[in-house]
Amino acid sequence: IVMTQSPGTLSVSPGERATLSCRASQSVSSNLAWYQQKPGQAPRLLISDASTRATGFPARFSGSGSGTEFTLTISSLQSEDFGLYYCQQYNNWPRTFGQGTKVEI
Amino acid sequence: EVHLVESGGGLVQPGGSLRLSCAASGFTFSDNTMHWVRQAPGKGLEFAATISADGGGTSYADSVKGRFSISRDNSKNMVYLQMGSLRADDMAVYYCARESWGLLDSWGRGTLVTVSS
Repeated sequence: IVMTQSPGTLSVSPGERATLSCRASQSVSSNLAWYQQKPGQAPRLLISDASTRATGFPARFSGSGSGTEFTLTISSLQSEDFGLYYCQQYNNWPRTFGQGTKVEI
Repeated sequence: EVHLVESGGGLVQPGGSLRLSCAASGFTFSDNTMHWVRQAPGKGLEFAATISADGGGTSYADSVKGRFSISRDNSKNMVYLQMGSLRADDMAVYYCARESWGLLDSWGRGTLVTVSS
């Protein structure tokens, strides 16, 4: 399954809303995760099952969607939210990532 | 607490070989599928190799098939990636990651593989 993220880069000011998209080449049901990666660090699980926020992440992060269209929304960007975001499907083998969206100032 | 620690990265010449290791602790290692995920400089994440919990099933990215081999030793809580015929495009940070119900919920810090003459 090919995962396609858009946009490639998102330029946002602190306090603004950020909307990231992820599209699957075929239905993955709700078996979709989002990961956050900061420079020099390993990725960290952010969202599972398309909309369940992982422990430690604030409520400004939310995920939605099912089937082939998914969205990650950051309601009011904080400085610590800038970085790379990847989606990953786990409905089928092999698991696959999207190519990532860079959220920058 | 789950801990994954990679080792074995370094500088290798094109065509050379390298063996990466990942030491796991803090969970019942034999319960989980494990992955090696790599990230080339400035690029995205790629599943390089995957091994099932009992080691009976493996899968590889097309880009490494026939050159890389993943294995595990559940008695030692270790997963390995044997890499051969290394090319410049194999240069990357290699992460060891645990899968739980499809999710990569724990990652190591990664080990850098540099392929250069």
